Amino acid sequence: SAVISQKPSRDICQRGTSLTIQCQVDSQVTMMFWYRQQPGQSLTLIATANQGSEATYESGFVIDKFPISRPNLTFSTLTVSNMSPEDSSIYLCSVARGGGAETQYFGPGTRLLVL
Amino acid sequence: QKEVEQDPGPLSVPEGAIVSLNCTYSNSAFQYFMWYRQYSRKGPELLMYTYSSGNKEDGRFTAQVDKSSKYISLFIRDSQPSDSATYLCAMKLPNTGNQFYFGTGTSLTVIP
Repeated sequence: SAVISQKPSRDICQRGTSLTIQCQVDSQVTMMFWYRQQPGQSLTLIATANQGSEATYESGFVIDKFPISRPNLTFSTLTVSNMSPEDSSIYLCSVARGGGAETQYFGPGTRLLVL
Repeated sequence: QKEVEQDPGPLSVPEGAIVSLNCTYSNSAFQYFMWYRQYSRKGPELLMYTYSSGNKEDGRFTAQVDKSSKYISLFIRDSQPSDSATYLCAMKLPNTGNQFYFGTGTSLTVIP
């Protein structure tokens, strides 16, 4: 398993501002993922953060809106830029385990409300 | 058609009941099947993990995979109020590092 922490746990932000979410893992991992979870919807993968290379973004998500850093094997940040109310959601980081990354372990999430 | 379908519920049962949670999927190539439990205001927690077909039991929890029907189930025996949470199924194709497919989750309440 993995112990994952996220900061902040929640925030209320104004439209047009940016928020950076931190994710810390208790052991080194190759792949870290950022998800968005909106009410009544399944988890949506935003991007995969690999150490030492650019993040890989899923369709519908762009680096200008969601820049990601991965400075080492235990830490990553996701920034939600130029926020609008539509960005209100839960943001989760996760790490993959298993030889083929068969399972994921999630952080507690960051609850974001944009006014 | 969504890759993974899951009835959102809500599902409400009395304490001690047997709970059956289900997901169907469309891609027969899925090989890895998972169930996550998510308490309110918490991140999803891996509950059960199954590779390919068959059953897996862990305490009061049993995960079943029926690949011929493209159907997976999670059974909870002797349900407890502490089992009240949202349960998400998830699936993964082999040799794909980051392609997990999640259901929308089923909300379960166990009434004392």
